[in-house]
Amino acid sequence: DIQMTQSPSSLSASVGDRVTITCRASQTIPNSLNWYQQEPGKTPRVLIYGTSNLQSGVPPRFSGSGSGTDFTLTISPLQPEDFATYYCQQTYSTPWTFGQGTKVEIK
Amino acid sequence: EVQLMQSGAEVKKPGESLNISCQGSGYSFTSYWISWVRQMPGKGLEWMGRIDPDDSYTNYSPSFQGHVTMSADKSITTAYLQWHSLRASDTAIYYCARAILWGDGLVFDIWGQGTMVTVSS
Repeated sequence: DIQMTQSPSSLSASVGDRVTITCRASQTIPNSLNWYQQEPGKTPRVLIYGTSNLQSGVPPRFSGSGSGTDFTLTISPLQPEDFATYYCQQTYSTPWTFGQGTKVEIK
Repeated sequence: EVQLMQSGAEVKKPGESLNISCQGSGYSFTSYWISWVRQMPGKGLEWMGRIDPDDSYTNYSPSFQGHVTMSADKSITTAYLQWHSLRASDTAIYYCARAILWGDGLVFDIWGQGTMVTVSS
């Protein structure tokens, strides 16, 4: 199985900050990497698919980059509604695996 | 509107069986795979497996193989997740999600609202 490791597990940031979350795969996954956001008590929703493609309706302050084994999600500028947990996911090979999540909290 | 509507919360005892459902609407149900995702209390997302509603072909994560069964009835655009013998550790929220292909990979673009399953004696 491909293991996905996110860092940090949590972070505190202020509105207007630039936030970067990283995701590392245990083996190369070309660009088959997605990012999801889950607000407290809500259903996950996709932000970025295929490493850097912005899902329809998602604000452009979200962006993704990377390739191979190392990927990043950047949020800039951070808005109040962005305080949530973020998950990366690889769909290169089954079992499709998620990272453990990164919780973004208000400083 | 494209949506997945899941069945309501369940409270069961260990050893009991359970079937939860996920009905798709607003799109061609047989054109997209359905995946199931577990979220245990306070924890992250875990992919359980997927089913092709067109031919009911399934692919399970090894972590769930043998403990759950996925099925689909395309005549009523509904996918199912079934347990024959529940355990307390099955207590979680279960999401269904539509998997859409995009070139080199796929992504879960539509999610159901989740079904909370509580297993307790």
